[in-house]
Amino acid sequence: DGGITQSPKYLFRKEGQNVTLSCEQNLNHDAMYWYRQDPGQGLRLIYYSQIVNDFQKGDIAEGYSVSREKKESFPLTVTSAQKNPTAFYLCATSDRGRLDEKLFFGSGTQLSVL
Amino acid sequence: DAKTTQPPSMDCAEGRAANLPCNHSTISGNEYVYWYRQIHSQGPQYIIHGLKNNETNEMASLIITEDRKSSTLILPHATLRDTAVYYCIVSIGGANSKLTFGKGITLSVRP
Repeated sequence: DGGITQSPKYLFRKEGQNVTLSCEQNLNHDAMYWYRQDPGQGLRLIYYSQIVNDFQKGDIAEGYSVSREKKESFPLTVTSAQKNPTAFYLCATSDRGRLDEKLFFGSGTQLSVL
Repeated sequence: DAKTTQPPSMDCAEGRAANLPCNHSTISGNEYVYWYRQIHSQGPQYIIHGLKNNETNEMASLIITEDRKSSTLILPHATLRDTAVYYCIVSIGGANSKLTFGKGITLSVRP
């Protein structure tokens, strides 16, 4: 989606290294999400944030951290504690509070371990 | 949120209608049915959603059974570019909802 920018498109991590994936949006959406997708699998929720300075753990938060200092930005850090980080990472946004809430996705970041 | 069941794959001929089924027998009265699709190595794209009534937009039609326990996404004239993984999701929607994506159904459109 043109309103959500994920960078970089490809990222390589060395053993013991923390890496940060960027997600920026200009849709003025309150809620932002991070999903992880392994090959041939569905999407699993890592973290989500409904408002600035607040976020909640999803289903697989261990080894990841996030911050939400600005409405437009929701960076995801993959820490060295995440032992199997190789995956496709997707950022999404939605209008908070709408009953027919739908997600808008970025184009993703492919993270690989060297 | 209620769980959904989709067959793993299906195919159809280009130009024909593609009918993608989804079972959601435990759906509750205030849960919406959403459909997304994901083309390889891209982010998922919203297609359509509905609560009770059938819905149609420029991309597809959504048929929900009267008891709401199953639904069908219809792509009226499938093209090669419709080859993708299609996800059927049930969710209450709103500020506290979290859409959960299963494995979906892989649609292959053949020439």
